Amino acid sequence: AQKVTQAQTEISVVEKEDVTLDCVYETRDTTYYLFWYKQPPSGELVFLIRRNSFDEQNEISGRYSWNFQKSTSSFNFTITASQVVDSAVYFCALSEAGDDKIIFGKGTRLHILP
Amino acid sequence: GAGVSQTPSNKVTEKGKYVELRCDPISGHTALYWYRQSLGQGPEFLIYFQGTGAADDSGLPNDRFFAVRPEGSVSTLKIQRTERGDSAVYLCASSFNRGQGYTFGSGTRLTVV
Repeated sequence: AQKVTQAQTEISVVEKEDVTLDCVYETRDTTYYLFWYKQPPSGELVFLIRRNSFDEQNEISGRYSWNFQKSTSSFNFTITASQVVDSAVYFCALSEAGDDKIIFGKGTRLHILP
Repeated sequence: GAGVSQTPSNKVTEKGKYVELRCDPISGHTALYWYRQSLGQGPEFLIYFQGTGAADDSGLPNDRFFAVRPEGSVSTLKIQRTERGDSAVYLCASSFNRGQGYTFGSGTRLTVV
């Protein structure tokens, strides 16, 4: 069965600090996709990244970086030099190959304090 | 359109009433998805359309929920005999094809009183 666990319900950091959001997933498939979405107060889900299970290279996009570790079934997300605009709920998600639905974690609410 | 459009943005209805929620996907996107997000939770899958047909409706909670997409573009999620537990944000998403990243709409906040 598919499952995504985001153990951190809520995190608060002061602006300019680095912060890592944890994500652990479960799947029996060898081919799957992992996602991160951002949900700002406006409510719309904003796509951040999609990785497939065969690509374990870490990815960096500006202040955002992702660490995919198959050995620990984790796909953690780090924001460097956080900004107040990063305040949002962040969701990690999983989709198995051949299955069209995405399974979301419960989300981590991130507060960046000025 | 430029994005996924959902109407209405807010809907308040009385328990027992029927509601329809509309989703207008990005033009040309063949895949359309409905999700439901309760307070403090992640989105939960309801149903997926590929073209006009419902390819996977395994997430619909019961037979009070039904969705259609008659012409392969706009979709309507229909809820009969609404209950207070149906209160949630209903999200629609579309993608060019299955397996690709979704684009979500802003959602319809349904409140059943």
